[in-house]
Amino acid sequence: DQQVKQNSPSLSVQEGRISILNCDYTNSMFDYFLWYKKYPAEGPTFLISISSIKDKNEDGRFTVFLNKSAKHLSLHIVPSQPGDSAVYFCAAIPYTGNQFYFGTGTSLTVIP
Amino acid sequence: DTAVSQTPKYLVTQMGNDKSIKCEQNLGHDTMYWYKQDSKKFLKIMFSYNNKELIINETVPNRFSPKSPDKAHLNLHINSLELGDSAVYFCASSQLRQGNTEAFFGQGTRLTVV
Repeated sequence: DQQVKQNSPSLSVQEGRISILNCDYTNSMFDYFLWYKKYPAEGPTFLISISSIKDKNEDGRFTVFLNKSAKHLSLHIVPSQPGDSAVYFCAAIPYTGNQFYFGTGTSLTVIP
Repeated sequence: DTAVSQTPKYLVTQMGNDKSIKCEQNLGHDTMYWYKQDSKKFLKIMFSYNNKELIINETVPNRFSPKSPDKAHLNLHINSLELGDSAVYFCASSQLRQGNTEAFFGQGTRLTVV
């Protein structure tokens, strides 16, 4: 049962424009959410996170938005750069705090 | 210094063999994990250890056996390898429930069973 879903397997964006990656979840027990970035032949690396007590967290070009009522979060990258081309995974942790649940990933391609 | 290191990075082996993948973290974390990324790119939890104690054991064939000699190490041993075991296996560690929690991942081990 997939509790964290990323319905877009791929996304292409022109350099300089905004990239918006979406993630939906089903488990109301999730209270902490993260985005990871993964390059080929490397492990996922942490990008940005948000607690369920917030609806927005910003770090440089990256902003994560959380809509708890819709059980939806999104990652905005502005402006997008070719080096942002990677697979992005969203992840969630329940308040019981025992594991990370990952989505299936969205492959972002930023076109120069 | 690599925070989470796993070896080997690539492993090609024949069906029926037994193999191990090693993982070490130098972050002082209490919790370590093994994830499997299959052909559909889904990152699926296999096992989780907290302070050397098994806390998560998902539906994984019992041919897979994790071993944690200490909280800095979590090795994965696989018996009687099958073609379907071919995947990328990621080790990770975290310090859960301390505010800003994140998992740190190793570089992955690409296992190919032929």
